Amino acid sequence: EAGVVQSPRYKIIEKKQPVAFWCNPISGHNTLYWYLQNLGQGPELLIRYENEEAVDDSQLPKDRFSAERLKGVDSTLKIQPAELGDSAVYLCASSSGLAGGYETQYFGPGTRLLVL
Amino acid sequence: AQTVTQSQPEMSVQEAETVTLSCTYDTSESDYYLFWYKQPPSRQMILVIRQEAYKQQNATENRFSVNFQKAAKSFSLKISDSQLGDAAMYFCAYGSGGSNYKLTFGKGTLLTVNP
Repeated sequence: EAGVVQSPRYKIIEKKQPVAFWCNPISGHNTLYWYLQNLGQGPELLIRYENEEAVDDSQLPKDRFSAERLKGVDSTLKIQPAELGDSAVYLCASSSGLAGGYETQYFGPGTRLLVL
Repeated sequence: AQTVTQSQPEMSVQEAETVTLSCTYDTSESDYYLFWYKQPPSRQMILVIRQEAYKQQNATENRFSVNFQKAAKSFSLKISDSQLGDAAMYFCAYGSGGSNYKLTFGKGTLLTVNP
């Protein structure tokens, strides 16, 4: 069974440019998460989807970040415009959504973003 | 809000020896889950072990076991017979349940395994 797939693995952009990250969760997983991981820190939740609905986006900086999961499967996280401080690893995770919120989350390999 | 503290930024262990990584957390919830995740240099976060707060029995997975002290809000990870492949960053995570489900991570402990 394929795990969580993310692309690209690495991205280098100049500040003020837009960037997008893609995630495909484990097949059948209804819940999808985007995390931000700064260097030397643990991941922090940006947004959580249950199917196509964003049920927790309280930590998403909405002035420059946006996300979508139109068909309740894969998801895209976008930054526009990117700032130097956005350099980090963006992790996607998924869970089955069948245990009332107590499921284990499975993580993708992440996208490492460097903003110059 | 929940917080997770890993007080050991770095740890080292000799191959085949045992090492314990510490984690404490703060919460007012009674029902929650706790996790240890491993993140090797390739950056793929891998689940090591999980513990349900309502269970008194400590979870074990092969060479990995936890010491869960609910009253003390402590959740340490013991790695027995350490192997070179165990070298990684280890994150302790607290899982809130129900409709507010989210994981709160500690800052991690970098484990080095010496041959």
